[in-house]
Amino acid sequence: DAKTTQPNSMESNEEEPVHLPCNHSTISGTDYIHWYRQLPSQGPEYVIHGLTSNVNNRMASLAIAEDRKSSTLILHRATLRDAAVYYCNAYNFNKFYFGSGTKLNVKP
Amino acid sequence: DAGVIQSPRHEVTEMGQEVTLRCKPISGHNSLFWYRQTMMRGLELLIYFNNNVPIDDSGMPEDRFSAKMPNASFSTLKIQPSEPRDSAVYFCASSPSPYEQYFGPGTRLTVT
Repeated sequence: DAKTTQPNSMESNEEEPVHLPCNHSTISGTDYIHWYRQLPSQGPEYVIHGLTSNVNNRMASLAIAEDRKSSTLILHRATLRDAAVYYCNAYNFNKFYFGSGTKLNVKP
Repeated sequence: DAGVIQSPRHEVTEMGQEVTLRCKPISGHNSLFWYRQTMMRGLELLIYFNNNVPIDDSGMPEDRFSAKMPNASFSTLKIQPSEPRDSAVYFCASSPSPYEQYFGPGTRLTVT
């Protein structure tokens, strides 16, 4: 299972885009890249996942580097409700590892 | 759907006592996960079931911990005997596939 590296914290202004980076240099060819977020006093919440191609859904976009050793979660317009810890992980079915995550602070 | 249901939401017990945490996964999901979260160690996967069968329990810290899934709609995580270092928030998650896990609200366990 690939280990991931994320910045401990990031700050953004409300209604501006946010790019959250993640390094997963030991990722294997079959490891999917997942992003979850955890709001205060809640369980983690699924955000998005991908394998090789960039992905979009109603919550965010996921940009995956061509060599797959890094990825970026993009929140197109941050809101105060997006303040959370964002976890990036890479796993292949059975092996699932959460890193320490990035705490995102959104300023009004 | 009500989402993943966990009970109790809070549990305070004394060292040496048995603790049982319960989880009802989302109907139709065939995978179930138990996690533990602490400030020191972050979010750790304890055990993973697929179709009610334990697939990977390598994260279970020691023999004091056991988990069962007698049917598709119920799972338990038991700690016997409990110790203060077991104090944490325990999450249950279910999934229709390996790629999207839906977490419950968690059980905050305090062992004194």
